[in-house]
Amino acid sequence: DAGVIQSPRHEVTEMGQEVTLRCKPISGHDYLFWYRQTMMRGLELLIYFNNNVPIDDSGMPEDRFSAKMPNASFSTLKIQPSEPRDSAVYFCASMLAGTHNEQFFGPGTRLTVL
Amino acid sequence: LAKTTQPISMDSYEGQEVNITCSHNNIATNDYITWYQQFPSQGPRFIIQGYKTKVTNEVASLFIPADRKSSTLSLPRVSLSDTAVYYCLVGDRMDSSYKLIFGSGTRLLVRP
Repeated sequence: DAGVIQSPRHEVTEMGQEVTLRCKPISGHDYLFWYRQTMMRGLELLIYFNNNVPIDDSGMPEDRFSAKMPNASFSTLKIQPSEPRDSAVYFCASMLAGTHNEQFFGPGTRLTVL
Repeated sequence: LAKTTQPISMDSYEGQEVNITCSHNNIATNDYITWYQQFPSQGPRFIIQGYKTKVTNEVASLFIPADRKSSTLSLPRVSLSDTAVYYCLVGDRMDSSYKLIFGSGTRLLVRP
C-alpha cells in the first residue's frame, strides 16, 4: 500500500482565495483525521470521520473551514476564504477501527496564504 | 488547550537510554496511550501503544503505572537518527467531551 496520500504537497495562495486540500486514506481504514500543525499551537485535531461520517468537528477553527468525505477513499478540507493565519502544515491520517489510535499520517500539505 | 504535559526538550548522547514522560491526569477509562515520532517535514509516525504496565517492541518500551495518569517512553541506546519530536496521544474526557489530544511534544536531540 502507498500509505496515506495528500495533495498538493505545497500550496501558495493569496488571501481571500479558496483552497482545497485532498487526502486518500489507506484502503480499508475506517477513520480519517485532519490535523493542522503550527509552531505556535502544535498539532491540532480539526475533524475526524468514521465510515465517511463526520464525528467531531469541534476543532474546526471557524465557518471558513469545511471538510467532506464523499467516499471511503477520498476526503477534502476546504478553506474559503483563506487568510494568512491559516498558513500551516495540514496532515491527514487514517486508522483501522479497533487499533486504539494507531494512526497513519500522510506527508502533509504546507499551505502559505499571502 | 493541551491536556497532556511533556518536557519541551531533552538532550542525550549516542548509545544512552532516553526516557520521556507524559502526564495525562484525565485519561479516559478505556483509552490507550500512544506515542508518535516526527521528523522535520514529515507526518508523525506511530512508535508504540499500551494500556497498562509495560509494552515493548523492536524500537521502544512503554511504562504505564497502575493509576495510568502518566506514561514513560523508553528508547534504548539512541542513535543520531532518533533526533526528532516525540508526542504522546491519549483520549481526554475533560468537560464530558472526547478529544484526541496530542501533547506539546518533546524535542529530543541526540549528540555524537
